[in-house]
Amino acid sequence: AQSVTQPDIHITVSEGASLELRCNYSYGATPYLFWYVQSPGQGLQLLLKYFSGDTLVQGIKGFEAEFKRSQSSFNLRKPSVHWSDAAEYFCAVGSKAAGNKLTFGGGTRVLVKP
Amino acid sequence: GAVVSQHPSWVICKSGTSVKIECRSLDFQATTMFWYRQFPKQSLMLMATSNEGSKATYEQGVEKDKFLINHASLTLSTLTVTSAHPEDSSFYICSARDGGQGNTGELFFGEGSRLTVL
Repeated sequence: AQSVTQPDIHITVSEGASLELRCNYSYGATPYLFWYVQSPGQGLQLLLKYFSGDTLVQGIKGFEAEFKRSQSSFNLRKPSVHWSDAAEYFCAVGSKAAGNKLTFGGGTRVLVKP
Repeated sequence: GAVVSQHPSWVICKSGTSVKIECRSLDFQATTMFWYRQFPKQSLMLMATSNEGSKATYEQGVEKDKFLINHASLTLSTLTVTSAHPEDSSFYICSARDGGQGNTGELFFGEGSRLTVL
């Protein structure tokens, strides 16, 4: 079975500082990996995804993530956060074998200090 | 990108009534849709997989008689919460896979529907 762990429940970062959100997954084969962002009371917006190929993936809003198979990780990064980046971030794993069902991590809430 | 729309975005109902939530793919055909439930400050939990023209597949622990799912067309899936009770209050989110783009694994999410049962 596939599973996802986001070790950090909350992260507080100053505006302009860099941000890194951790994600570790467990899956036997090559997974599809995703990062989504959710603002309060809203649905999910896809930031980026990894299916295959280049392990450094660029997404929207200046985010990037790196797939590291040896560490079973897919950490999300942004060099300089903006106040509008305050939200809940979810890492998710899926696969063809699982019928594209996504399993989500517990989420990391990002707070941005002025 | 592909758009998935949910309706209503929020609903308040009395205990014992039934509530229907619609999930529509606006610009693509969705052979498969997924229904998730999200409790406050928690992650999304998959409830069921809805396949067009066939019965939904429910995750373990989800009552199929409580949460009726219908996927009668390639652009519409509905979730009906029957005889709703306060513990059914939650944020329900649907997602859909574009069947025309092959098995890429990418899902598109609706805006979510917040159900409050009094």
